[in-house]
Amino acid sequence: QVQLQESGPGLVKPPETLSLTCTVSGGSISSYYWSWVRQPPGKGLEWIGYIYYYGSTRYNPSLKSRITMSTDTPKNQFSLKLNSVTAADTAVYFCAGGGGPWYFDFWGRGTLVTVSS
Amino acid sequence: DIQMTQSPSSVSASVGDRVTITCRASQDIGDWLAWYQQKPGKAPNLLIYASSTLHSGVPSRFSGSGSGTDFTLTISSLQPEDFTVYYCQQSHTLPWTFGQGTKVEIK
Repeated sequence: QVQLQESGPGLVKPPETLSLTCTVSGGSISSYYWSWVRQPPGKGLEWIGYIYYYGSTRYNPSLKSRITMSTDTPKNQFSLKLNSVTAADTAVYFCAGGGGPWYFDFWGRGTLVTVSS
Repeated sequence: DIQMTQSPSSVSASVGDRVTITCRASQDIGDWLAWYQQKPGKAPNLLIYASSTLHSGVPSRFSGSGSGTDFTLTISSLQPEDFTVYYCQQSHTLPWTFGQGTKVEIK
């Protein structure tokens, strides 16, 4: 059973860079597609982007200029960097994965990132 | 971007009721649609993908149907643990997009 765990700072100052890591256990990072999804407090879900283990990525155009995703195969981790953050980037950030890029079979618990000075 | 519109935004029902939630896409997405259930403070859980395929371990009281632009999620007999929020998601065209959510409340 694949399990995911997000880690990273809970508070980021504008206009710094938000950096999160997702650690995969119970499965190999090379076997699945990996995504990030965020949810502002009290609001709906927004897909941020996905990455395949060898580095192929697709990002949401609304965030594309600010996003970088990467994988660390030996550590079985993947990461998200979102630069130039503003208060609008305050959200619970979920890492998620699946056998394809289209749906999210399993999810991390999510981590709240607050952007505030 | 493809816009996904769910209706109703909320629905009140009782244990044992049959509930149907609708999701409409702003353009044809074939059967590239998934449904998720999200409980407060938790991550979403995949219920259905490819419009009508039940994800592993999901109770058979959940079913999905539709293609093109109109889709439905049906819960045949509501159980106490089903009172929460449901989202649809399209994966036909990037960026993947979600509906705004439907809250199923206890009447």
